[in-house]
Amino acid sequence: SQKIEQNSEALNIQEGKTATLTCNYTNYSPAYLQWYRQDPGRGPVFLLLIRENEKEKRKERLKVTFDTTLKQSLFHITASQPADSATYLCALAPGYSTLTFGKGTMLLVSP
Amino acid sequence: SQTIHQWPATLVQPVGSPLSLECTVEGTSNPNLYWYRQAAGRGLQLLFYSVGIGQISSEVPQNLSASRPQDRQFILSSKKLLLSDSGFYLCAWSESLSGPAGSDTQYFGPGTRLTVL
Repeated sequence: SQKIEQNSEALNIQEGKTATLTCNYTNYSPAYLQWYRQDPGRGPVFLLLIRENEKEKRKERLKVTFDTTLKQSLFHITASQPADSATYLCALAPGYSTLTFGKGTMLLVSP
Repeated sequence: SQTIHQWPATLVQPVGSPLSLECTVEGTSNPNLYWYRQAAGRGLQLLFYSVGIGQISSEVPQNLSASRPQDRQFILSSKKLLLSDSGFYLCAWSESLSGPAGSDTQYFGPGTRLTVL
């Protein structure tokens, strides 16, 4: 089965800096990789999806990269704000299958 | 627009008692529906998913069961709760023409916090 590794330690950064979160996976290379944001006590919210043939995807201040050789995705938030503080989950799946979620990494942006 | 509802928001139940959590989706037809559990310090664990009325796939064998009596209603049940059933239960839906796919965006409900004492 697929194993997903996200840094269990919280990432603390200052407002205005770029936050970079890592998602590593083992076993098969997924066809799709997604990133979600989860606030305490709430359900996750979809942010971005990247396909295996895409190297990079951007949405406003967010950028996701997907390196199938390294079996890794990086999630960047530029010009981070305290409102970006949350837990970020990566999720992946082969073509036609349910998603497997990582445990997530907590991001804390201090003013 | 589509919305997803879950209730109750919080629940405290004694060990051995039954459980029924309900999830309904509005504004879409024939969605894929999912039940997840998120225990403290753990990731999202997929429990069940459904691609249509009466069609349930179980991902983890346990004392929970799911049913889909209507197109946009998904119910999670247990006859006898265990301490290990405590957690944050999330319902989600996605649009898909041919069952769950890795390209599906999942939309989550607000969740139910279950504490079994």
